[in-house]
Amino acid sequence: GNSVTQMEGPVTLSEEAFLTINCTYTATGYPSLFWYVQYPGEGLQLLLKATKADDKGSNKGFEATYRKETTSFHLEKGSVQVSDSAVYFCALLSGNTPLVFGKGTRLSVIA
Amino acid sequence: DVKVTQSSRYLVKRTGEKVFLECVQDMDHENMFWYRQDPGLGLRLIYFSYDVKMKEKGDIPEGYSVSREKKERFSLILESASTNQTSMYLCASRLNSGLEQYFGPGTRLTVL
Repeated sequence: GNSVTQMEGPVTLSEEAFLTINCTYTATGYPSLFWYVQYPGEGLQLLLKATKADDKGSNKGFEATYRKETTSFHLEKGSVQVSDSAVYFCALLSGNTPLVFGKGTRLSVIA
Repeated sequence: DVKVTQSSRYLVKRTGEKVFLECVQDMDHENMFWYRQDPGLGLRLIYFSYDVKMKEKGDIPEGYSVSREKKERFSLILESASTNQTSMYLCASRLNSGLEQYFGPGTRLTVL
């Protein structure tokens, strides 16, 4: 079946540091890939998405590129802020089925 | 502004009680989902529904049931709450043809 594996946290960074959160997937066919973010005390919200190979999703300074050859969708940001502290979930969607989520990575950014 | 609302942010119940968690969406979405979120385990799918009166089991349906009598409302029922059902419960909805899934703020349930 379909699955998503993302790096375990927590990840602690200083403000303005470079962020990478690794995500790899296993899927049949051509899934769409997502990053969701959960800020403290809130539900999840979509951060970015990519629907086909080599697509780059971007939002709020975050980027991720759909790499079919390595089945990866790593999340990156060049300079994190304290306000980026949250839990980040990688997910995939194949057809009209439930999203498949990774286990989440908690990011803490310290000033 | 799209919205998924959940009936309570925090709930405390006793073991053995019947518990109802309500979720309402105002986007006319066909698909609705219930997840529970636990530290170290991420999000786990309990039940989902593709349309009114339809339901499908997710990965961890044991101890839960659901009801979808109206398109906008999807209820999660704990028939006899147990302490191992203490968790954060998240509801979500999505269009059949859509990509983005919209989440409610969650209900933190404590079973004593």
